Amino acid sequence: SQQGEEDPQALSIQEGENATMNCSYKTSINNLQWYRQNSGRGLVHLILIRSNEREKHSGRLRVTLDTSKKSSSLLITASRAADTASYFCATDASGGYQKVTFGIGTKLQVIP
Amino acid sequence: ETGVTQTPRHLVMGMTNKKSLKCEQHLGHNAMYWYKQSAKKPLELMFVYNFKEQTENNSVPSRFSPECPNSSHLFLHLHTLQPEDSALYLCASSQTGGTYNEQFFGPGTRLTVL
Repeated sequence: SQQGEEDPQALSIQEGENATMNCSYKTSINNLQWYRQNSGRGLVHLILIRSNEREKHSGRLRVTLDTSKKSSSLLITASRAADTASYFCATDASGGYQKVTFGIGTKLQVIP
Repeated sequence: ETGVTQTPRHLVMGMTNKKSLKCEQHLGHNAMYWYKQSAKKPLELMFVYNFKEQTENNSVPSRFSPECPNSSHLFLHLHTLQPEDSALYLCASSQTGGTYNEQFFGPGTRLTVL
């Protein structure tokens, strides 16, 4: 069954607003990663948060992890039109460090 | 540029054709992956190679045949495909052995099976 599920599946906001995407997963994890994909292209790694971390920042990105709820959120602050893309969470299950399971993604549209 | 290249970028083939997808990574990684991405579905892991050895075959039909001659090159040989195999095929690589597994993706091959 699918490990990571992003919510919402689609999100449309105005430039300058913040965008929040959520990810829920089912089993214990070593870490959780967020990736970005521009239309028809490969995925690009954004940020990784380990299972013993609760929050992490990278530029305009903020990721939180709640292992008790098996959920993570990705916040993009002060969004730009160039942030328009699909965003995926990927979980790296305990004991299986080579196998990363991706969710279905959140399609973000930032309107200029 | 992520250091992972894929060719061709687009491929249209009939169900009786035989074709191959190629992936090359210039990052010195020891693991390579094939994924299939279809519309409105999660990214599906197909195969994993670690130090040229296949370590994962995710119940992929035999009409998909991977080949990994060395740690830098990965092929996906295609034969007698079905229209439902049309998708974006993504290659990725990573350096395993550490405590996390960031993967670097190629741009993908958009495959259309007629």
